[in-house]
Amino acid sequence: VIWMTQSPSLLSASTGDRVTISCRMSQGISSYLAWYQQKPGKAPELLIYAASTLQSGVPSRFSGSGSGTDFTLTISCLQSEDFATYYCQQYYSFPLLFGPGTKVDIK
Amino acid sequence: EVQLVESGGGLIQPGGSLRLSCAASGFTVSSNYMSWVRQAPGKGLEWVSVIYSGGSTYYADSVKGRFTISRDNSKNTLYLQMNSLRAEDTAVYYCARESKGGGYYSDWGQGTLVTVSS
Repeated sequence: VIWMTQSPSLLSASTGDRVTISCRMSQGISSYLAWYQQKPGKAPELLIYAASTLQSGVPSRFSGSGSGTDFTLTISCLQSEDFATYYCQQYYSFPLLFGPGTKVDIK
Repeated sequence: EVQLVESGGGLIQPGGSLRLSCAASGFTVSSNYMSWVRQAPGKGLEWVSVIYSGGSTYYADSVKGRFTISRDNSKNTLYLQMNSLRAEDTAVYYCARESKGGGYYSDWGQGTLVTVSS
């Protein structure tokens, strides 16, 4: 079974900041990684798949990078609507797993 | 437009059973890989089960032997039959459609809350 960690678990930032979230796997998963954004009371929304491919309709300030065991989600210029919780998800093997999440809140 | 609408959640006693439904529109359930993902209150996301277009099914270890995923092609609806429910099954249950690329979810329902408590 693959283990996943995300860091930080909580990130306090201001609008306009550049923020990065890390997702680390216990074994290599090539580029089989997705990122989601979730706001309170809402379903998750897909941001990025295949580690770095932006989902249609997602603003270009979001980007993903990495392969193997280390991945990063970057928001280049944080907007007010970006305050949310972010999850990575591996789909390399069963069981499909989500990371524990990173909450981005207002500093 | 793709739409997924879950129903069937509620309060159920430990050991009880519940069936969740996910009515789909804008696409054909039987032609897609469909999953259930749950989220306990204040916690992260947990994949529960998937049914492939060919009919193969897979489950998380935490629900294997207790939950059954299925679909009704005539109703374009996905189901999750949940038996022997435990307090730790308390969660919002989302149905989700896998993107054609496989393994990640491009479409989600709004979720239905299942509370297991006496």
